[in-house]
Amino acid sequence: DQQVKQNSPSLSVQEGRISILNCDYTNSMFDYFLWYKKYPAEGPTFLISISSIKDKNEDGRFTVFLNKSAKHLSLHIVPSQPGDSAVYFCAAGDRKAAGNKLTFGGGTRVLVKP
Amino acid sequence: ETGVTQTPRHLVMGMTNKKSLKCEQHLGHNAMYWYKQSAKKPLELMFVYNFKEQTENNSVPSRFSPECPNSSHLFLHLHTLQPEDSALYLCASSQVGDSPLHFGNGTRLTVT
Repeated sequence: DQQVKQNSPSLSVQEGRISILNCDYTNSMFDYFLWYKKYPAEGPTFLISISSIKDKNEDGRFTVFLNKSAKHLSLHIVPSQPGDSAVYFCAAGDRKAAGNKLTFGGGTRVLVKP
Repeated sequence: ETGVTQTPRHLVMGMTNKKSLKCEQHLGHNAMYWYKQSAKKPLELMFVYNFKEQTENNSVPSRFSPECPNSSHLFLHLHTLQPEDSALYLCASSQVGDSPLHFGNGTRLTVT
């Protein structure tokens, strides 16, 4: 059973508008969450992370929100740019567990239209 | 950014072949990982090495054999694979702990 789910396989947004990507998790032991971006023929690239002690973390155009009670996190990209077109993965980890093991969602493909 | 380098980028092998995937990281990290990404599936963790010691084997079949000779190098030895093992194999590294993983560009493996 998937412990991290991204229910929207794809998202299309106009350049300059906001992209909102969602992720749900089931394991209450997860206390560390990350977003990765992946272009074709490349490996995932780390974007932004958030600890469970926070509910928001911002880095430039990227903001991650965490709602622990709902076991839900989201990534906001504003303003969206054509170069943001990629597949985005959310990932979750348990810092108390041995080894930095991350569980990934299935990804959301974002297309930003000029 | 090529902090984690994987070779080869593409590999086609028969079910009776033996081949190896190589990963090298130039980031000074002390943990290395193998992940598998099959079509339509999330990334799946295969192996974790912390300070050259294997700390995780995620129920991976023995036809996949990892080797970590030092903190900068990681290998995945392959033998008698099945067509369903065709996938993108990604190597990653990090500092031990909860630091983000840095991924290589992967090896696209096709088993015929």
